[in-house]
Amino acid sequence: KQEVTQIPAALSVPEGENLVLNCSFTDSAIYNLQWFRQDPGKGLTSLLLIQSSQREQTSGRLNASLDKSSGRSTLYIAASQPGDSATYLCAEPPGYSSASKIIFGSGTRLSIRP
Amino acid sequence: DVKVTQSSRYLVKRTGEKVFLECVQDMDHENMFWYRQDPGLGLRLIYFSYDVKMKEKGDIPEGYSVSREKKERFSLILESASTNQTSMYLCASSSPLAPTGRDQPQHFGDGTRLSIL
Repeated sequence: KQEVTQIPAALSVPEGENLVLNCSFTDSAIYNLQWFRQDPGKGLTSLLLIQSSQREQTSGRLNASLDKSSGRSTLYIAASQPGDSATYLCAEPPGYSSASKIIFGSGTRLSIRP
Repeated sequence: DVKVTQSSRYLVKRTGEKVFLECVQDMDHENMFWYRQDPGLGLRLIYFSYDVKMKEKGDIPEGYSVSREKKERFSLILESASTNQTSMYLCASSSPLAPTGRDQPQHFGDGTRLSIL
């Protein structure tokens, strides 16, 4: 059974710093890994999706990597801004052919200090 | 245990039809969400609601509307179904604030696989 863990649970850094959020998973037969952002009271916003055949994906200041052999994914945020403050979740979406539940990590609550 | 129930597991409709996808949760959650999931695109938020009769657009609201007449029920409506709306649709619910001040994780239904012919 897949388990997804995110450390740390909370992180506070000054504006402008580069930072890395960590996600680890127990089953290396992962299909996809997806990073989401969640603002309080809002739904999930998908940031990046890494498919099993890929090693990384980039969108703007965000870069996500996937290392299936070590069971790890990282989300790198460059030049952080106060608007980046949110909870960041990694998750293994169910395979498209199944309707099993999406498995989320517990999230990292990120605060960017102006 | 939280239960989020989607009315249909599989649904086949024709282009131009008005389609209703129903979702019911039994935990008195204020927040409810509709996502679609597509290969290569992952989960994308269509609409969400944080209270009865309240709704907000997500990332891809075009071609959809929603209805939240009762707290436990959140309906997704395809006004005039098109083939590009063939997808897996996932409903979720959550309570707005945990004692820690964070949103509780979202609880998902099993999904509705919708095919538009």
